[in-house]
Amino acid sequence: SQQGEEDPQALSIQEGENATMNCSYKTSINNLQWYRQNSGRGLVHLILIRSNEREKHSGRLRVTLDTSKKSSSLLITASRAADTASYFCATDESGGSYIPTFGRGTSLIVHP
Amino acid sequence: SQTIHQWPATLVQPVGSPLSLECTVEGTSNPNLYWYRQAAGRGLQLLFYSVGIGQISSEVPQNLSASRPQDRQFILSSKKLLLSDSGFYLCAWSVSSGLYNEQFFGPGTRLTVL
Repeated sequence: SQQGEEDPQALSIQEGENATMNCSYKTSINNLQWYRQNSGRGLVHLILIRSNEREKHSGRLRVTLDTSKKSSSLLITASRAADTASYFCATDESGGSYIPTFGRGTSLIVHP
Repeated sequence: SQTIHQWPATLVQPVGSPLSLECTVEGTSNPNLYWYRQAAGRGLQLLFYSVGIGQISSEVPQNLSASRPQDRQFILSSKKLLLSDSGFYLCAWSVSSGLYNEQFFGPGTRLTVL
């Protein structure tokens, strides 16, 4: 079953704008991860945030986690055309096997 | 450094034919290994995972099977393909400690069943 669900399903912005994607999940988690997938390629890990963390940065990426709302957001600042890709969140349930469950993803298009 | 290989990159097979997709990992020992399927515009569906040689856990009962004959080799098979088996198949690995389960994905195999 799908644990994380990304929102929106699709996002279209201009280069230089910020892109925000959200992920909601249903059960308590150990970790939440964000991955990126270019069309027709494998997924690439972007960032992992633990359940006891609230915010994490990596370059132009900022991830927040609100465990009370069971949600996370991924912010890409000053977007570039090369950021065009699908973005997935993945969660693993507390007390579970640490195998991440992926959402359906947000398709981001950044127009040059 | 670790690398993961998948082949073939693309495959077109008739309904009822057998399937064998191979995944190998280099540069690490005793990895956890995973097979996912991704339908068009959808998320990843976990099919199988393995924590060691000969140890396979199936997440979704279906027409497919998996085997791990060697530590860093993971094979996805079918005896008779169905149209619904079409999709993008991804192999992934993670370290076996499990606490922070970052996964590393292969390039994928695009399977079309006609």
